[in-house]
Amino acid sequence: EAQVTQNPRYLITVTGKKLTVTCSQNMNHEYMSWYRQDPGLGLRQIYYSMNVEVTDKGDVPEGYKVSRKEKRNFPLILESPSPNQTSLYFCASTKGTVSYNEQFFGPGTRLTVL
Amino acid sequence: KNEVEQSPQNLTAQEGEFITINCSYSVGISALHWLQQHPGGGIVSLFMLSSGKKKHGRLIATINIQEKHSSLHITASHPRDSAVYICAVIPPWFEDTDKLIFGTGTRLQVFP
Repeated sequence: EAQVTQNPRYLITVTGKKLTVTCSQNMNHEYMSWYRQDPGLGLRQIYYSMNVEVTDKGDVPEGYKVSRKEKRNFPLILESPSPNQTSLYFCASTKGTVSYNEQFFGPGTRLTVL
Repeated sequence: KNEVEQSPQNLTAQEGEFITINCSYSVGISALHWLQQHPGGGIVSLFMLSSGKKKHGRLIATINIQEKHSSLHITASHPRDSAVYICAVIPPWFEDTDKLIFGTGTRLQVFP
């Protein structure tokens, strides 16, 4: 089954404790992206990657890191999480570019930073 | 002012009604996406369009590039259409970016 998976689905952590949210897709898509969703602000793009070893900042990259060492994986790293990073996070992938193709979203990761 | 504005923010309808959700944007774009977010949180892509009109079942999406406006229509609405509908735009190719800019969504509730 074609899908985007994220892990963990739920995470409660404390300020400053490094964490990684994994994202994997089995569709051989070139484009992958991370978003956060907050009440009243909607979805905002954190980082995106147009292919292996190519990453670019979205609208809200501060406090996050990403890497794209393999085509299927695009982990989101919070080196020193803070309470303002409490949010619902989505990973998505697209064949080629989002200018021409639909996105496939993961199920979401709800992160709480205390 | 947001670069992508959706209206209305909230919409209630009776089953069977014709629904229109609007998306206006102030930037140049290469394409526009319509997304649906279910009450459980999952997001699915409904349409990607750069011109004209697309139809899938009871859903129709149109875009007018000159007027910088897109609409999502739902014919014969049903309670299962209750969701948040989100539009997102992609800047034009010559800006050399594949970044997405999102509207804040329209929450639709359809009652039986």
